[in-house]
Amino acid sequence: RKEVEQDPGPFNVPEGATVAFNCTYSNSASQSFFWYRQDCRKEPKLLMSVYSSGNEDGRFTAQLNRASQYISLLIRDSKLSDSATYLCVVNFLYSSASKIIFGSGTRLSIRP
Amino acid sequence: GAVVSQHPSWVICKSGTSVKIECRSLDFQATTMFWYRQFPKQSLMLMATSNEGSKATYEQGVEKDKFLINHASLTLSTLTVTSAHPEDSSFYICSAAGRTYEQYFGPGTRLTVT
Repeated sequence: RKEVEQDPGPFNVPEGATVAFNCTYSNSASQSFFWYRQDCRKEPKLLMSVYSSGNEDGRFTAQLNRASQYISLLIRDSKLSDSATYLCVVNFLYSSASKIIFGSGTRLSIRP
Repeated sequence: GAVVSQHPSWVICKSGTSVKIECRSLDFQATTMFWYRQFPKQSLMLMATSNEGSKATYEQGVEKDKFLINHASLTLSTLTVTSAHPEDSSFYICSAAGRTYEQYFGPGTRLTVT
C-alpha cells in the first residue's frame, strides 16, 4: 500500500460546482499535511496547510481526519482557473528523521 | 509565500557532459532543501533531501554519484547531473522548507540531453 494515496481523477465538473477530493495516508505518526496545486509544466504551489481543526481560505476548505487517516480538500463555486492537479503532501517522523511524501495528484478539470 | 529561485530555467547539453542547477531561497533560511524530478504526465519523484552542512539523503534508486548535491548554506543548494544521458532529460524542481515543513518550490529546470 502506498504511504499517501489519492484518486488520480480526472474530475471533470462544470463551473460553479462543488468538488471534493480525499487523500489517505498510512502512517499514523504523520504530523503535517498540505495541499499543493500544480499547473501543467509548472512547479507545485502551496495551496494550504491542513490543521487538526480544519481550515478555510475563501472557496477552499481543508479537513483532517486523524482517526480515519485522511485529509480532504473541498472547492466551492469552482472557477475555470481551478483546473490543475492537486497534490496532497504528508510529513511524518521516520526513525527520528522527517520524511515528506507526495501523493500522485488528482487532476481537476473545470468546464464552462 | 516565500520565494525560491532556480537557475537555469532550461538547459540543453550533450550526452556525457555535466550540468549544475542552482536553487536559492531568496527571503528565508531553508533548513531543508529537496530535489525532485518529474517526467511528462507523471507525479513528482523525490530524488534527495539535503540539510545545510550535511550530506544529502538520497531516495532508493537514485545514484548519489550521478546526482551530486551540495547544500553549502541555508539559502543555496546545487544539483549536478554528471555525465548526463538522454534518459536524464526531465524537469528538475527544487523546494526549500523551514521549520514548519511548508515547501516552497523553485520554478524548475527543464533539462534536455541530446
